[in-house]
Amino acid sequence: DAGITQSPRHKVTETGTPVTLRCHQTENHRYMYWYRQDPGHGLRLIHYSYGVKDTDKGEVSDGYSVSRSKTEDFLLTLESATSSQTSVYFCAITPSTNTDTQYFGPGTRLTVL
Amino acid sequence: GQNIDQPTEMTATEGAIVQINCTYQTSGFNGLFWYQQHAGEAPTFLSYNVLDGLEEKGRFSSFLSRSKGYSYLLLKELQMKDSASYLCAAPLNAGNNRKLIWGLGTSLAVNP
Repeated sequence: DAGITQSPRHKVTETGTPVTLRCHQTENHRYMYWYRQDPGHGLRLIHYSYGVKDTDKGEVSDGYSVSRSKTEDFLLTLESATSSQTSVYFCAITPSTNTDTQYFGPGTRLTVL
Repeated sequence: GQNIDQPTEMTATEGAIVQINCTYQTSGFNGLFWYQQHAGEAPTFLSYNVLDGLEEKGRFSSFLSRSKGYSYLLLKELQMKDSASYLCAAPLNAGNNRKLIWGLGTSLAVNP
């Protein structure tokens, strides 16, 4: 257990509304990641962070923004949700040691109607 | 380019042995990961190989051949609970960001 929680775990929202997903970790890990997972596409990186206020885009960042004002929290925001953003969202961390192993939070299932 | 390929689906029988293959192309090499993901759950780390050869962890073993860009996950004495998706992943070597490139996963169905 890497001490990662995600909230909410499930959310249904309407097209055009803003949505913020939260990833919280308790073990002071430096690297954090947001993925989405869809059938036929596997895990795709949205944004990642390598420290407080240090973030960068992944392969599918359009329509998403992130913020990391504290080590323990990495927020993913959909400014104006679209049906194509219906997905399962996973947060992951890499422990602050010499390893690339990623450990995942439980996921958030988001439905945009 | 960088790419990971693995079969989409496999079926096996309870008690048997199954081998799930993964081929990869990366700009450098810094190890290969296997993860297990049960339906509706998050991926969980299974193994990490950085040297050639077979590494065994109980019923699961992982093999790596760096010269061939090839790895496999070997599951012995299959149990129904092994029905899951198995993901192969490798580090991207662009900068110091610790990103991984992921295969699409192999969905394994274990039948009684």
